[in-house]
Amino acid sequence: DSGVTQTPKHLITATGQRVTLRCSPRSGDLSVYWYQQSLDQGLQFLIQYYNGEERAKGNILERFSAQQFPDLHSELNLSSLELGDSALYFCASSVGARQNIQYFGAGTRLSVL
Amino acid sequence: SQQGEEDPQALSIQEGENATMNCSYKTSINNLQWYRQNSGRGLVHLILIRSNEREKHSGRLRVTLDTSKKSSSLLITASRAADTASYFCATDATGANSKLTFGKGITLSVRP
Repeated sequence: DSGVTQTPKHLITATGQRVTLRCSPRSGDLSVYWYQQSLDQGLQFLIQYYNGEERAKGNILERFSAQQFPDLHSELNLSSLELGDSALYFCASSVGARQNIQYFGAGTRLSVL
Repeated sequence: SQQGEEDPQALSIQEGENATMNCSYKTSINNLQWYRQNSGRGLVHLILIRSNEREKHSGRLRVTLDTSKKSSSLLITASRAADTASYFCATDATGANSKLTFGKGITLSVRP
């Protein structure tokens, strides 16, 4: 068990809908990272938050947004969902702001029908 | 394009054999990491090697880093069926806003 908790484990929704994925980092970790993993694109970095502030941005679509709350948990919001958004979404956490060892959650499998 | 690219894409070996996986990258790095992912699960950190290190061991794992060739290798000795997984290299490129960049991964199958 990595200590990173992601909910829900599975999510099935329809095109055009909006969903929220939640992540609780390991105790003591200040950084949270979001990744999207699909068969054709591999593991894509979306965004990093460090102690509540956006730290780094990757290939995150404008339809997607994230935030980190004062208790350090994070949420990834996906809106106007398309079929191509179906993927595994992972949250990871690390102690510091630099990209050191990351601890991954079990992921949320999103299916857009 | 991906910073880290693994080679081969897939590897199938017999239990007890050694597995060697390679990773090449493009820019200067602070460190390089290897992660394992069992099917449909989250990634698990295996080992980190810093840019000033050439070799590192952890149990049955041996990682080498050649910064002049911008490449790394992961050797798993005496493989077991439980080593069946995807393996990813990830690079922490130098720079103020660097991010950890993962390769596409190598699928390792260890036949019992």
